[in-house]
Amino acid sequence: DAKTTQPPSMDCAEGRAANLPCNHSTISGNEYVYWYRQIHSQGPQYIIHGLKNNETNEMASLIITEDRKSSTLILPHATLRDTAVYYCIVRPPGYNNNDMRFGAGTRLTVKP
Amino acid sequence: GAVVSQHPSWVICKSGTSVKIECRSLDFQATTMFWYRQFPKQSLMLMATSNEGSKATYEQGVEKDKFLINHASLTLSTLTVTSAHPEDSSFYICSARRGASGRLGEQFFGPGTRLTVL
Repeated sequence: DAKTTQPPSMDCAEGRAANLPCNHSTISGNEYVYWYRQIHSQGPQYIIHGLKNNETNEMASLIITEDRKSSTLILPHATLRDTAVYYCIVRPPGYNNNDMRFGAGTRLTVKP
Repeated sequence: GAVVSQHPSWVICKSGTSVKIECRSLDFQATTMFWYRQFPKQSLMLMATSNEGSKATYEQGVEKDKFLINHASLTLSTLTVTSAHPEDSSFYICSARRGASGRLGEQFFGPGTRLTVL
């Protein structure tokens, strides 16, 4: 599986957009980009995933570069409750492929 | 939908005892479940993968005789930490992959179980 690189920590002001980058330069053609977050002492929460097109849902937007070597998760209006560790994971689709393997993630702190 | 529960949410036990943690998919059938362990300020580390009705596959370095996994039904997997020691104290998290329709390969995570071994 391709590896990902994320900054260890980021700060964001409440109400502002939080842009979390992820590098995945060795991503394969069939690997999706997944984003999860983990709020302190809880299980990871699914946010969004995509293959090559930009995606948006009620939680966030995912922007994937044309060469697919990097992506950005955007939380449009960060709140204090968005403070968490955000994980970017790349893996193939399908039921019989590998599990989600977590890197170090980015610790996002939203400040008032 | 797609809720995964764990029980207990926290447990404290004496060294040498065994502890069983349950992971349930509440509203879907999970053909595959995963167990992770997370030490303080570290990321989640996969321990093992279990498929319903078959033996679990353990990651390198994880003792299968110490961490017994049973996936007896499509909605329940259990992790038993046998002869627990203080170094087994950790946050144990399970996840389940839906076996029917749904987002491809999406895993749903439980809330975690905090184990403290005295």
